[in-house]
This record gives sequence, C-alpha cells and structure tokens, in this order.
Amino acid sequence: NAGVTQTPKFQVLKTGQSMTLQCAQDMNHEYMSWYRQDPGMGLRLIHYSVGAGITDQGEVPNGYNVSRSTTEDFPLRLLSAAPSQTSVYFCASSMTSANEQFFGPGTRLTVL
Amino acid sequence: GESVGLHLPTLSVQEGDNSIINCAYSNSASDYFIWYKQESGKGPQFIIDIRSNMDKRQGQRVTVLLNKTVKHLSLQIAATQPGDSAVYFCAEMIRFGNEKLTFGTGTRLTIIP
Repeated sequence: NAGVTQTPKFQVLKTGQSMTLQCAQDMNHEYMSWYRQDPGMGLRLIHYSVGAGITDQGEVPNGYNVSRSTTEDFPLRLLSAAPSQTSVYFCASSMTSANEQFFGPGTRLTVL
Repeated sequence: GESVGLHLPTLSVQEGDNSIINCAYSNSASDYFIWYKQESGKGPQFIIDIRSNMDKRQGQRVTVLLNKTVKHLSLQIAATQPGDSAVYFCAEMIRFGNEKLTFGTGTRLTIIP
C-alpha cells in the first residue's frame, strides 16, 4: 500500500490564483481530513470527511473548499490564494473518525 | 474554547536516558488521546494512543499515562536513541462526538549523543 499520498510536494502561487492540492489513500479509509501547520501553532483542522459524499468544516475552513466524490480522494481547493495561506498542508485518513489517523508527507505552499 | 497545550516547548535528553513529554488538555469530554512524532520535513507519525477508560498504555519503549483528574497526558520514552529526536504532538478527540482531532503545539525533543 502507498498509504496517504499528496501532490504537489511544493507549490508557489501568486495572490489571487487558485489551485487544488491532491490527496489520495489506498487503505479504504472512510475518514479523511486536511490540516495546515504553521510555526508554533501545531496542526489545525481545515475540513474533514466521514465518507464519500460527506464533508464538514474544521477549525479554519475559510478560503478552502473540499469534495469527496470517491472514498480514495479528498482534494483541497484554494479559491483565491492569499499570503495568509502560506503553510504546510497535511492530509490524513483513518478507518473511522475514532481511529488513529495516518498522515501524508505534506505540501509546502507559498503564496506571494 | 478548548485547547490542548504542552508544558515544555523544548526538551534535551542524553542518549540512553528516559524522557517524559507532558501535555495538558482542557476539554473534559475528550475520550481519546494520541501521541504523534514528526520528523523534519515529514508528516506526523502515530506513536501510541489511549482511551479515557485507561490510565496507562505501553508500547515498544513508549508509555502513555493519562490522568483524567487533572487532565494531563504524558509520553515516556525509554532508553532514548538519536532517532527519537523529533517534535512530539499530543492530540485529543471525542470519539463519537465532534469527530475532530485537536492538536497541541508540540514539544521538540533533542537527543544528545
């Protein structure tokens, strides 16, 4: 199993541009989530999904959209990038919300 | 609001010694706790978890202690090795409640050779 994969690994955007961060898992996990990690602030939950077709907001959802059309994929969309969205983004998955989460390697995003 | 915090942002330990990383949580409804290890440039890696019906759980060289009375969690690493150098996060969740994992800010553990 590849586990949780994320692409791209690095990305630089200009303010106002849009892009999609990809996340995929091959463990047939129902629960998937997106976090951002900023220095000194730990990981903060952006959006999560408890199964295909179901998504919900986390702690810091503004400026981000998600969809879950399949069990395997959970893309994160930045609608209009802002410098405040410069961060490292991690995707995670778990069997259910009540189990340990497995994290991807992260995407380092810089917004100029 | 609820938060998960750590007492020490950095910790240095001599190789071979034991280390203890502490974590305080404020949401008394949390019933599931996880410790993650994050090495530089990588995603967090699961170490050990504990549910609120337990006080102690042991893994390979790691032990997690949970004190619900004072809302305190600790991670003990025995016989530390250079590969233990990383940032350690505790996280809490209400397993069948809000379905959200809340992370603390992390403690950087440095093993001195």
